[in-house]
Amino acid sequence: DIQMTQSPSTLSASVGDRVTVTCRASQSISTWLAWYQQKPGKAPRLLIYKASSLESGVPSRFSGSGSGTEFTLTISSLQPDDFATYYCQQYNSYAYTFGQGTKLEIK
Amino acid sequence: EVWLVESGGGLVQPGRSLTLSCAASGFTFDDYAMHWVRQVPGKGLEWVSGIGWNSGSMGYADSVQGRFIISRDNAKNSLYLDMHSLRAEDTAVYYCAKGIVGYFDLWGQGTRVTVSS
Repeated sequence: DIQMTQSPSTLSASVGDRVTVTCRASQSISTWLAWYQQKPGKAPRLLIYKASSLESGVPSRFSGSGSGTEFTLTISSLQPDDFATYYCQQYNSYAYTFGQGTKLEIK
Repeated sequence: EVWLVESGGGLVQPGRSLTLSCAASGFTFDDYAMHWVRQVPGKGLEWVSGIGWNSGSMGYADSVQGRFIISRDNAKNSLYLDMHSLRAEDTAVYYCAKGIVGYFDLWGQGTRVTVSS
């Protein structure tokens, strides 16, 4: 199976900050990568698919980039609603796998 | 309105079986692959299984291969997960998710499964 590794595991930031989360795949997955946001007690929400395509309804402050084995999720200016846990997911091949998550906390 | 609703979770003893269901509404169910994803409380997400739009293809995580069976009934807009030989490590919230290519654009609210004696 393809292993997905996110960094950092926890990120402390302030409203208005620009933040970046990194996701690395154990082998090339082209751009078959998605990003999700999850808040406590809720189901995940799709933010980005195909590495850089913004899901409908997701604010434009979210962006994704990368290909091959290294990917990033960037939030250009943090808003209070953005404090949550973020997961990457590869869908290059079964078995699909997720990163371990990055918890974004208020500094 | 577009939604997915899971049901069938609960407390079950190790070694026993349980079937989860997922009802879909608001989209053309048989146009899409469907998946199950689980999450141990306080931990990360784990893809469990997926099934193609016409049940022609299925996939399983190694952790459930040979114990879980995914199926769907397009006439009833429903997805199922038959879970056998359940273990304590299967304890999790199980989400049903609509798949596009291989990512998940719609999720249910989840159903909790607890495997314990």
